[in-house]
Amino acid sequence: DTGVSQDPRHKITKRGQNVTFRCDPISEHNRLYWYRQTLGQGPEFLTYFQNEAQLEKSRLLSDRFSAERPKGSFSTLEIQRTEQGDSAMYLCASSPPFRLGNIQYFGAGTRLSVL
Amino acid sequence: QQQVKQSPQSLIVQKGGISIINCAYENTAFDYFPWYQQFPGKGPALLIAIRPDVSEKKEGRFTISFNKSAKQFSLHIMDSQPGDSATYFCAAGTSYGKLTFGQGTILTVHP
Repeated sequence: DTGVSQDPRHKITKRGQNVTFRCDPISEHNRLYWYRQTLGQGPEFLTYFQNEAQLEKSRLLSDRFSAERPKGSFSTLEIQRTEQGDSAMYLCASSPPFRLGNIQYFGAGTRLSVL
Repeated sequence: QQQVKQSPQSLIVQKGGISIINCAYENTAFDYFPWYQQFPGKGPALLIAIRPDVSEKKEGRFTISFNKSAKQFSLHIMDSQPGDSATYFCAAGTSYGKLTFGQGTILTVHP
């Protein structure tokens, strides 16, 4: 068990380009979350999956953002037509099933810089 | 109603001292209150968590105190060490959904 894995760790892109991030959760974790963290702030919820179903999306997730979790395994987060305001750390977390509480294990994140 | 307010923004403590960070929440539906530690360039790591059916939980040097009527909870770090220097986040959520995080506290422990 190597923990939550995110790829890439860093992404630099030009405004207007599309970017895609990948998250591999801990094996057998059925819940997967995406958060965004800007400098000096706590993580902000973006969206969450239980298995392959996307159960909740934040208002922060504009039409330019889309997330998928095919087959309930890894997940991708795509940002289309990136803007400078999208620059942030994108964090993925996963939770095991049938646990008391909501223990979320975070990956190291993907840092996005939009030039 | 979804906010979690955390204080102080930054905290400086001498080695061996007690670090105390406070959080307040508004949503009475929250029933899970974790604390996370984050080092630069890393993702948040779970330190300790509490549910509202207990008023205190201790794990090693870390203790959560919970006041349900005041809708407040706090993290106490006993015998603080330079290695504890990091950013600490409180969070609140329900059993199976998203977490709402506080703004974070930058802790510096001087040797």
